[in-house]
Amino acid sequence: AQSVTQLDSQVPVFEEAPVELRCNYSSSVSVYLFWYVQYPNQGLQLLLKYLSGSTLVKGINGFEAEFNKSQTSFHLRKPSVHISDTAEYFCAVILYGGYQKVTFGTGTKLQVIP
Amino acid sequence: DVKVTQSSRYLVKRTGEKVFLECVQDMDHENMFWYRQDPGLGLRLIYFSYDVKMKEKGDIPEGYSVSREKKERFSLILESASTNQTSMYLCASHSRTINTIYFGEGSWLTVV
Repeated sequence: AQSVTQLDSQVPVFEEAPVELRCNYSSSVSVYLFWYVQYPNQGLQLLLKYLSGSTLVKGINGFEAEFNKSQTSFHLRKPSVHISDTAEYFCAVILYGGYQKVTFGTGTKLQVIP
Repeated sequence: DVKVTQSSRYLVKRTGEKVFLECVQDMDHENMFWYRQDPGLGLRLIYFSYDVKMKEKGDIPEGYSVSREKKERFSLILESASTNQTSMYLCASHSRTINTIYFGEGSWLTVV
């Protein structure tokens, strides 16, 4: 069975500073990886996804993530955050094949400080 | 644009009541999911369905059941609601072809 770990429950960062939100997964087979963002009182919106190919994936709102197979990580980065990036971010994994059950991490709350 | 619609945004129910949460998607996706979201616990999978009339238990199925009679509709049922089922419930659908998960806006359920 797969699992996803987001070690940081909250990350405070000053506006215009860079940020990295960490995600590690465990799986015995290949996976697809996703980052989602949730603004207050809303559902989840896709930021970016890694399916195959280039390990550096660019998403919406200036975010990017790098898939590192040897470290089983998929960390999310942004070089300069804005107040509007304040939200909760979720990492998710789907196994190749099978019934494609989706497993999410516990989320990281990004608080951008003016 | 893919649309996942959850029928109720806010519900208040009494302990012991039967509760139905409905979810409809308009993109012919094979897979559909029900999660509950609680502070500090992230999204926990209750049930998922990979085809009509097919269902699989997720990580926390106790106290819940589901129904998928049509491909576009996936219902979550609380047979006898309890206060510990007060939560935000999120429905999602997933296409194996394009491999993206789409979420509804969520249903806030309060059981009193």
